[in-house]
Amino acid sequence: QKEVEQDPGPLSVPEGAIVSLNCTYSNSAFQYFMWYRQYSRKGPELLMYTYSSGNKEDGRFTAQVDKSSKYISLFIRDSQPSDSATYLCAMSINQGGKLIFGQGTELSVKP
Amino acid sequence: GAGVSQSPSNKVTEKGKDVELRCDPISGHTALYWYRQSLGQGLEFLIYFQGNSAPDKSGLPSDRFSAERTGGSVSTLTIQRTQQEDSAVYLCASSFSGYMGYNEQFFGPGTRLTVL
Repeated sequence: QKEVEQDPGPLSVPEGAIVSLNCTYSNSAFQYFMWYRQYSRKGPELLMYTYSSGNKEDGRFTAQVDKSSKYISLFIRDSQPSDSATYLCAMSINQGGKLIFGQGTELSVKP
Repeated sequence: GAGVSQSPSNKVTEKGKDVELRCDPISGHTALYWYRQSLGQGLEFLIYFQGNSAPDKSGLPSDRFSAERTGGSVSTLTIQRTQQEDSAVYLCASSFSGYMGYNEQFFGPGTRLTVL
């Protein structure tokens, strides 16, 4: 069993929909939780990070961490075709340490 | 400013050959990471350099894999006697240590390695 589990999708939604992406994890030592976005043939880029539990909002994006359930989520409101990409959750124990990634969810937003 | 750069962007090699992949981190970044991304395994950590400390090699899959970081800047990942299962995209990332907050890892575009 992988340390971080993420449904690979693919997920297809119409423009304007609310998208929910999720990851579960098994290592309770994880303290830093990230969401990366990766476009085809590009390197991942950081979307959001959260330290410990709680919610964080940035524009159309909201990240949630529930450490008691070992579950993290990313919500995308008013999704746009430009949001079409692979979304990867990532976690680390230390702020400068290695990242453990989920499999990535491929999202397609149709106009 | 310039981001993380990697070369070559694509590499095709024959089984059994050695390959070297290069990473140029963002200037001033003290930490450098190598990851591998493949269809079956997703994105996996390989090795991590932080300043002058001994590298964290815990993710290297076998002793055919090694990496160096010269002068605290450029890094080379070497794969000896390549196997078909080494085919993947090799990603490099760098970050700056020193802030109290989260030290974001910035990724390069990757080197796509194909072993025939």
